[in-house]
Amino acid sequence: AQSVTQLGSHVSVSEGALVLLRCNYSSSVPPYLFWYVQYPNQGLQLLLKYTTGATLVKGINGFEAEFKKSETSFHLTKPSAHMSDAAEYFCAVVGGATNKLIFGTGTLLAVQP
Amino acid sequence: DAGITQSPRHKVTETGTPVTLRCHQTENHRYMYWYRQDPGHGLRLIHYSYGVKDTDKGEVSDGYSVSRSKTEDFLLTLESATSSQTSVYFCAISKGQGSPDGYTFGSGTRLTVV
Repeated sequence: AQSVTQLGSHVSVSEGALVLLRCNYSSSVPPYLFWYVQYPNQGLQLLLKYTTGATLVKGINGFEAEFKKSETSFHLTKPSAHMSDAAEYFCAVVGGATNKLIFGTGTLLAVQP
Repeated sequence: DAGITQSPRHKVTETGTPVTLRCHQTENHRYMYWYRQDPGHGLRLIHYSYGVKDTDKGEVSDGYSVSRSKTEDFLLTLESATSSQTSVYFCAISKGQGSPDGYTFGSGTRLTVV
């Protein structure tokens, strides 16, 4: 069965610092991988996705993620955090028998001035 | 979110009462989903639909039922609300079940059962 693990339910960084949010997945078949962002009291917005092809994918707001099959990881990064990046981030996978979007438990990112 | 709306946005209800949440889409997508979001659990799938009158259970379906009589509308009913169903409920749509486009989400319904 598919599953998604996000390491760290809360991450705090200083403004201007590197953002690294970790995501590992398990899937018996090549998956589609997604990062969603949720701002307070809002729905989920697609940040970026990996389907096929280039393993380094770029998304909105300067975020990017790299699909590493050997490590079953899809970590999200941004070189320089901005105050507006404060939100909750969800990693998700689709693929395999259930073929439905399965979410990790989320990482709440705080950005300190 | 464009093309998908949820109603109501907020609701407070009493234990034991039935509650219906509505999801409406204008994208003509075949698949529709209901998730609940709870701290420490992320989003968990309640039910989904793969066409008019075609629905199936997700991982947390107990105490919930759904109906889809039209392509654009997907209703979630709590047959007898309990405090454990206090949550934020999100509707989502997709073109295909395992779509590489991912899902598009509504803005959510915050339900409080007292």
